[in-house]
Amino acid sequence: DVKVTQSSRYLVKRTGEKVFLECVQDMDHENMFWYRQDPGLGLRLIYFSYDVKMKEKGDIPEGYSVSREKKERFSLILESASTNQTSMYLCASSLQGHEAFFGQGTRLTVV
Amino acid sequence: GESVGLHLPTLSVQEGDNSIINCAYSNSASDYFIWYKQESGKGPQFIIDIRSNMDKRQGQRVTVLLNKTVKHLSLQIAATQPGDSAVYFCAEAYNNNDMRFGAGTRLTVKP
Repeated sequence: DVKVTQSSRYLVKRTGEKVFLECVQDMDHENMFWYRQDPGLGLRLIYFSYDVKMKEKGDIPEGYSVSREKKERFSLILESASTNQTSMYLCASSLQGHEAFFGQGTRLTVV
Repeated sequence: GESVGLHLPTLSVQEGDNSIINCAYSNSASDYFIWYKQESGKGPQFIIDIRSNMDKRQGQRVTVLLNKTVKHLSLQIAATQPGDSAVYFCAEAYNNNDMRFGAGTRLTVKP
């Protein structure tokens, strides 16, 4: 079975904290994505990566950064968490031109 | 930036009827289009995709239609079942990796 694993299902952090969300895939996929999902807004692309050490900004990169040091791992970093970053975060991976597989999501609450 | 959107946020159908979920897109350079299904508490799951050089593709009980003239995508589900109740997202992919989603349609199947 293909698998995309996000390190946490639920996370509570304080305003101003540095937050790391980790995502690992075991399918040798080139592409990896980070989205946030908010009610009524669907999935919004934060960043994606099409290769190791490569990254591209999505629609809402402000306040976030990413790291892809190894092909299987794509990390999302909130440099200084704010309450408006409270959301569901979804990681996905895909081969180029093929369907994406999603993790279960991390529900992040910033207090 | 350009975005993918949906005509209706909710759709309610009777069990056994056919469902049609619509999507409008704006990036005429997108390579392919994908439909995902998201059940409560889970990440989105791939249903079916279609390349930009096609106008119709059929799967098991599902058909995707692409009208590039009006930039419209639809998902047809035949003989809708209670297990089809979920949120459905269309997504467009550009350059085989940049993938953007619409806001989603919630499908409810009445027994």
